Parts: sequence; C-alpha cells; structure tokens
Amino acid sequence: EVQLVESGGGLVQPGRSLRLSCAASGFAFDKYAMHWVRQVPGKGLQWVSSISWNSGSTDYADSVKGRFTISRDNARNSLYLQMNSLRAEDTAFYYCARDQYQLPVYSFDYWGQGSLVTVSS
Amino acid sequence: DIQMTQSPSSLSASVGDRVTITCQASQDMTNYVSWYQQKPGKAPNLLIYDASNLETGVPSRFSGSGSGTDFTFTISSLQPEDIATYYCQQYDNLPPTFGQGTKLEIK
Repeated sequence: EVQLVESGGGLVQPGRSLRLSCAASGFAFDKYAMHWVRQVPGKGLQWVSSISWNSGSTDYADSVKGRFTISRDNARNSLYLQMNSLRAEDTAFYYCARDQYQLPVYSFDYWGQGSLVTVSS
Repeated sequence: DIQMTQSPSSLSASVGDRVTITCQASQDMTNYVSWYQQKPGKAPNLLIYDASNLETGVPSRFSGSGSGTDFTFTISSLQPEDIATYYCQQYDNLPPTFGQGTKLEIK
C-alpha cells in the first residue's frame, strides 16, 4: 500500500524557517517524481514545488522561488521541503504528492495526509 | 498561468442523479486535465487523468471528457459517499493550476 506521511509542520514566526519531511513507503520511491502542494484551510489547492526521480530537475511556484528548496533522499525514501523567510501567506496544509511518472508530469496519483504550517507572530 | 474556471462552485443533488461539473481553461490546451475528489479533513484523491482516463480502482460512475478549453466531469448516478469537493487541474503548462472547486452536497 502506498503511504506518504508528512511531518515537521507547526507554528513559526514570520521570517523564520521550517523543514517539512515526507516519508514514503509501499512503492519504489526512486522511480517517481515528487511534489509539494499546499492548501490554505478551507480554500483551494496550489502546487508549490516538484523534483524528478533522481533530483536532476526541480521547479517552484513563483510565490516560493528563492525561499523554498525541495530535495529528496532516495536511500531514505524521503522527500523534503526547506522553507525559509516564511510569510503569513505561506500558512497552509502542505501535502506531499507522488507524480504518475519519473519525470514530472504534474498529475498527482497519491497524496499524504498533510502537515499544517502556520506562520504568525 | 492557465486559469481553470470551474462551475458551479456548489451543487446540491439527489442520490441517483447525474451530476456534471465543468472547467473552462483560459487558453487552448491538450487533454492534460485531472479531476480530484477531496472529502472533509482528507487529502485529494485522483479520479480522472488525461481528461478521460479513469484512475485504477475508481468506480466507473465517474467519467471525464473534453478538449480545447472545455472539460467536463460526470457522476452518472450520485451515491451518498460521493459527498466531497471536486477539483479540476491542468498540467498542460507550468505552473500546474487547479480550479476553485465544486462542493457537492446531497439534497
């Protein structure tokens, strides 16, 4: 069974940093591109970042470019999102999501349960 | 960015009804459209990809169609467990973008 479990969310002050992790199991993690997608509570979905199966390519939404860094450790079956210079508008549930393919196609066939990040003083 | 205008924003229907949700893209696209179901407090769940392909394990009462700028999602016979919010998503151009969602309720 495919499982994606996020961790690392919480309350953080504006301007500070936070690192999210996503532990993957039940599939060959190193054969799929992975993504982060966020959702403001009660609102819609926004793609945040993607990484190819071998970390050869990464991409970011304009709203987080230069502040967030996506990475993965295939030996540990883990995906990460380093979030720096956090802003109030980054407050959201952050979902780890699997792509359907090795290179990002941006259709997400499995999702984690989400980790809430709240940016507030 | 491609804008996906989804309608209606909410919908009330009876068990057994045929339900249709539409998404209009802000520019002409290929068939790179997915549809997701999100139940309260849960993560989204992929139902349809490439506009009309049913994801493995998804009931056949769900279907998708469309091309160009107009895409449609249909539930042929609404079931009580289909109560959720549904989102369309395009992945034809970067960044991938979602519709604003359709909240489906039972009448």
